[in-house]
Amino acid sequence: GQNIDQPTEMTATEGAIVQINCTYQTSGFNGLFWYQQHAGEAPTFLSYNVLDGLEEKGRFSSFLSRSKGYSYLLLKELQMKDSASYLCAVLNDYKLSFGAGTTVTVRA
Amino acid sequence: KAGVTQTPRYLIKTRGQQVTLSCSPISGHRSVSWYQQTPGQGLQFLFEYFSETQRNKGNFPGRFSGRQFSNSRSEMNVSTLELGDSALYLCASSLAEREGQITGELFFGEGSRLTVL
Repeated sequence: GQNIDQPTEMTATEGAIVQINCTYQTSGFNGLFWYQQHAGEAPTFLSYNVLDGLEEKGRFSSFLSRSKGYSYLLLKELQMKDSASYLCAVLNDYKLSFGAGTTVTVRA
Repeated sequence: KAGVTQTPRYLIKTRGQQVTLSCSPISGHRSVSWYQQTPGQGLQFLFEYFSETQRNKGNFPGRFSGRQFSNSRSEMNVSTLELGDSALYLCASSLAEREGQITGELFFGEGSRLTVL
């Protein structure tokens, strides 16, 4: 089976940094994804990790440790538009399993 | 380049009816997957298709079915609708260029919001 855990909510101040952790226990692993979803909109791709280490893309970075079943998404220089739900998802055998999502609220 | 297109965007059905949802992937994308999103359960995987073949299926009852056509367009059908089927149904496509390739980034459509009364 699949078990993917991430915090339900996080709040941070504009300009700050927030780290969203994701732990997973899955029967197989072909990669880990992070998606952003604004209320009422479809999820959009943020990052993809298949090897251990840090992937940086602008203000967003994602880290993966396969041996620990652990990933995090780092959001830097937070902006109000970053208020959204962030979904961790594990790919296994053509199936993408999502965590429940972390709602990030950015305050001025 | 057009994105993933889902129709209809909104629909209302009553219990016992059936519904068919359509998804047109991004041109050139051969993999299409479907997800159900509800406030309580989050995003749940329904099924994934590549070249008209279902490669994986989620834990949903047999009332949920799907298919993919030769042009990569996909449909999903839910028969004998129940109140609990009310949800946002999302379709996503990805560029899987060959059989057996593990798909990468998914591109989601805006979804079809189904309400069952």
